[in-house]
Amino acid sequence: GAVVSQHPSRVICKSGTSVKIECRSLDFQATTMFWYRQFPKQSLMLMATSNEGSKATYEQGVEKDKFLINHASLTLSTLTVTSAHPEDSSFYICSAREASGYTGELFFGEGSRLTVL
Amino acid sequence: DQQVKQNSPSLSVQEGRISILNCDYTNSMFDYFLWYKKYPAEGPTFLISISSIKDKNEDGRFTVFLNKSAKHLSLHIVPSQPGDSAVYFCAASSNNAGNMLTFGGGTRLMVKP
Repeated sequence: GAVVSQHPSRVICKSGTSVKIECRSLDFQATTMFWYRQFPKQSLMLMATSNEGSKATYEQGVEKDKFLINHASLTLSTLTVTSAHPEDSSFYICSAREASGYTGELFFGEGSRLTVL
Repeated sequence: DQQVKQNSPSLSVQEGRISILNCDYTNSMFDYFLWYKKYPAEGPTFLISISSIKDKNEDGRFTVFLNKSAKHLSLHIVPSQPGDSAVYFCAASSNNAGNMLTFGGGTRLMVKP
């Protein structure tokens, strides 16, 4: 099946620094990628939809200046958490859908756990 | 306003028995439903899906049932195995919404040996 890879899987940073998380579709082209955030024991919350070659669409309540998303190619989207604070500590997961088709099935990355000290 | 709800946060089942996970939705525009399985600190993995034109889809030990009139779907796992222990998310999408997924809150399944 399709594979989506995220890197890094874990990152610890100091408050005020920026952290970049990469999401790659390894064997298919993804015109659309999605970024989710999961708090402990809670569901996946969609943060933004990343469209190749255009600006990301952010969900209500998500600060676009804080969570910068870049989808520069059909296989790579990046999420940069800028000036991270402890409350940004969370599990971030990306997903991608094949450009050709679709019925809604998404392939998820392994997730990235961010801890801000 | 939660459009997709999983009212049971956890479920415990004996190995070999049937596990039934339930999901309710409110948006009548949803036309495709999926179940994902998630282990701690990992991304969700796709399990099984069903289109709104069907009422049942089966794949090995996993069967998903859809009751459109009740806006309810369920995932049956039989026989349950200890390796099935995980959090299960149901998700729904609609063609009109660009196929974005809306997730339920998840149900933690524990299968006891």
